[in-house]
Amino acid sequence: KNQVEQSPQSLIILEGKNCTLQCNYTVSPFSNLRWYKQDTGRGPVSLTIMTFSENTKSNGRYTATLDADTKQSSLHITASQLSDSASYICVVSAKSGGGADGLTFGKGTHLIIQP
Amino acid sequence: DTEVTQTPKHLVMGMTNKKSLKCEQHMGHRAMYWYKQKAKKPPELMFVYSYEKLSINESVPSRFSPECPNSSLLNLHLHALQPEDSALYLCASSQGGGLRRAGQPQHFGDGTRLSIL
Repeated sequence: KNQVEQSPQSLIILEGKNCTLQCNYTVSPFSNLRWYKQDTGRGPVSLTIMTFSENTKSNGRYTATLDADTKQSSLHITASQLSDSASYICVVSAKSGGGADGLTFGKGTHLIIQP
Repeated sequence: DTEVTQTPKHLVMGMTNKKSLKCEQHMGHRAMYWYKQKAKKPPELMFVYSYEKLSINESVPSRFSPECPNSSLLNLHLHALQPEDSALYLCASSQGGGLRRAGQPQHFGDGTRLSIL
């Protein structure tokens, strides 16, 4: 069964600090992995999308890494800002629709940035 | 601002009411999706339209009825909903013909917050 596990479930850090969110998956055959940011009351917004051959991808202060061998991904946030407070969702896509919908969502990490 | 527009943003309805949720995108995307999201949970797929044809129905109760009038519009008709149907309903679109084409990023709307009394 395809699964995506995210950790930690929630995280509180001070403004200006860095943090790393983890995503482990068992989706097969793997196609790509995406990180989304979802602000409270808003829809998810795509941060990065990574395919099998990509190890690192950056989007401003967000840097995602992918290790396809260990089936792990991380999202590193540098110099956090109050606006980074949100849920971060890892979504893994299977090549030929491995699940009924081809996408497996993680449960997300709820990040709170404190001033 | 999101490129997928959903209306209304909030909806409160009784269990006997009939209402519709609307979704619009003008990015030329050929696949559109409805998701249901409960608090602190990831989105759950409900329906997928590919080239204006229903391609996936995730065993959703018949009180939810999707409609895709054209490639830019997606509706979700609601009738006789239950309190447990209260949730955030998200619409998304992607460039390709649907989820079975890999690597298609999805653009989400901001959702309709639905409350059933």
